[in-house]
Amino acid sequence: AQTVTQSQPEMSVQEAETVTLSCTYDTSESDYYLFWYKQPPSRQMILVIRQEAYKQQNATENRFSVNFQKAAKSFSLKISDSQLGDAAMYFCAYRSVMEYGNKLVFGAGTILRVKS
Amino acid sequence: NAGVTQTPKFRILKIGQSMTLQCTQDMNHNYMYWYRQDPGMGLKLIYYSVGAGITDKGEVPNGYNVSRSTTEDFPLRLELAAPSQTSVYFCASSYSSIAKKLFFGSGTQLSVL
Repeated sequence: AQTVTQSQPEMSVQEAETVTLSCTYDTSESDYYLFWYKQPPSRQMILVIRQEAYKQQNATENRFSVNFQKAAKSFSLKISDSQLGDAAMYFCAYRSVMEYGNKLVFGAGTILRVKS
Repeated sequence: NAGVTQTPKFRILKIGQSMTLQCTQDMNHNYMYWYRQDPGMGLKLIYYSVGAGITDKGEVPNGYNVSRSTTEDFPLRLELAAPSQTSVYFCASSYSSIAKKLFFGSGTQLSVL
């Protein structure tokens, strides 16, 4: 079974600065998807960014980018020009392509606080 | 477009009571999932379904049951509620195994006292 580890329970960043959230995962598969989800206090689950394992190029969505290191099984999220609205819980997640049900496996989450 | 709709949003149960958490989606998605999120923790899979009539256990299925009689609906049943089932419950769906994203409902906060 796959596992996802987020080693930073909590992170803080000053408004307008850059922060990186860490994620590592364990899998024996070669093809899979990785996600970062944002959960603000409203509890809504918001997809931030997605990476396909077969793509070498790191995904980017506006101020959000990832550093995908397949050999190291690492998938970090970089948030540039941090804004107050970025404050939330961030979850890293893994989704198998081949495994029956294609379930999403989540890490424990990182709380991001943004200081003004 | 409603997406994934969960009801109720909040509920308080007494120990030993039963209830059904409702989940319905209007996107004709085959894959549906139930997750629970304990305070300060990640989401853990309870049950999932890959189509009408097909369900399977996830990581934490004990104390729960599901059914999938239609593509749209995927209710989660709690029998004999226990304090350990106090959690936020999320329903999610996707069209296929290679869908770009899962669509999540807004969650049900359940307290068992």
